[in-house]
Amino acid sequence: KQEVTQIPAALSVPEGENLVLNCSFTDSAIYNLQWFRQDPGKGLTSLLLIQSSQREQTSGRLNASLDKSSGRSTLYIAASQPGDSATYLCAVFPLGQGGSEKLVFGKGTKLTVNP
Amino acid sequence: EPEVTQTPSHQVTQMGQEVILRCVPISNHLYFYWYRQILGQKVEFLVSFYNNEISEKSEIFDDQFSVERPDGSNFTLKIRSTKLEDSAMYFCASSEVGTDSPLHFGNGTRLTVT
Repeated sequence: KQEVTQIPAALSVPEGENLVLNCSFTDSAIYNLQWFRQDPGKGLTSLLLIQSSQREQTSGRLNASLDKSSGRSTLYIAASQPGDSATYLCAVFPLGQGGSEKLVFGKGTKLTVNP
Repeated sequence: EPEVTQTPSHQVTQMGQEVILRCVPISNHLYFYWYRQILGQKVEFLVSFYNNEISEKSEIFDDQFSVERPDGSNFTLKIRSTKLEDSAMYFCASSEVGTDSPLHFGNGTRLTVT
């Protein structure tokens, strides 16, 4: 059974700092990995999707890497801003027999960027 | 930018009652999903829906739950005979081409069962 773990559970940084959020998954048989942002009381906003054949994806100040063989992904946020404060969720689409339609989520890292 | 909309934002119901949570997915999307998040826990998959039928469901999605796409725009989740443990945030999501494309989530419906 696929399990996704995110470390740390919470992170507080001063504005302007570069930071890395970590995600690990137990089964390397994945179709893709997605990073989401969740603001309090809101839904999930898709940030980046990395296909299993890719090593990284970039969008603006965000860069996500994927090392499928070791079951790890990182989300790098450059020059953090207070508006980046949110919970960041990592999720994988498992690659099972007949395919799987369900994303398996980690518990998230709650990021606070202090002005 | 198109978005997934969910109504109501908050629903309070008594144990044993039936509730219907409503969603309007993004118009050109073909795959629809329901997820839920119990307070303090992970977001967990309930069901996926494609071509007017359930394509996959989790162990959580038992006979108490059902989904429907009654017309070309709405996607509903019905929970019969609600239990206290059904209290959670329920998220609807849609995607253009299933696993190859990102999921777009609505803002959720907070269901409170008393």
